[in-house]
Amino acid sequence: QITLKESGPTLVKPTQTLTLTCTFSGFSLTTFGVGVGWIRQPPGEALEWLVVVYWNDDKRYRPSLKSRLTVTKDTSKDQVVLTMTDMDPVDTATYYCVHLGAPGTASFDYWGQGTLVTVSS
Amino acid sequence: DIQMTQSPSTLSASIGDRVTITCRASQNIDNWLAWYQQRPGKAPNLLIYKASTLESGVPSRFSGSGFGTEFTLTISSLQPDDFATYYCQQYNSNWGYTFGQGTRLEIK
Repeated sequence: QITLKESGPTLVKPTQTLTLTCTFSGFSLTTFGVGVGWIRQPPGEALEWLVVVYWNDDKRYRPSLKSRLTVTKDTSKDQVVLTMTDMDPVDTATYYCVHLGAPGTASFDYWGQGTLVTVSS
Repeated sequence: DIQMTQSPSTLSASIGDRVTITCRASQNIDNWLAWYQQRPGKAPNLLIYKASTLESGVPSRFSGSGFGTEFTLTISSLQPDDFATYYCQQYNSNWGYTFGQGTRLEIK
């Protein structure tokens, strides 16, 4: 059974760096084709894809946010860490950790519960 | 980048109705299109991938079609659990993943 859970601060100040951790189980990020990503959703708004890290350490970032995002994986801990620099109130959102479906599906089949991050001074 | 436009933004319907939601891509995405259902306060749930393949466990009243730039999600007979917000999502090797703005399905 695949599960993912996000953890990190619920409140950050403008200009600070956000660090979120995704702890997952039920799969390995060393297995061919596996990917873990981050998607966010501002309150009352649509979903926005941020990044995916693949089993081979390939990383795909949202082009418009690439300069602010970094994703790393720790396969020994079954964790993926997202950092986002220079946080702004418009970055207030629920951040979801997601599992990329089997190769060839290009979709996200398992989602964490999400964590609401508020950016405010 | 690739823009995804859903229509309508809001749809009012009754139990038992057949409804269709449309998603248009700003350029050709072949069949790299997925659909999700999101209930209030919950994470989205994958319904369909590769435009028309039903995810395991999803009721057969949901179906998807389309190729290229125009896609549809159809619910053949609305059930109470179906009133939610629906999102389409595309994948492109150059631009990554993009979601539509969502369609809220509400009870008439």
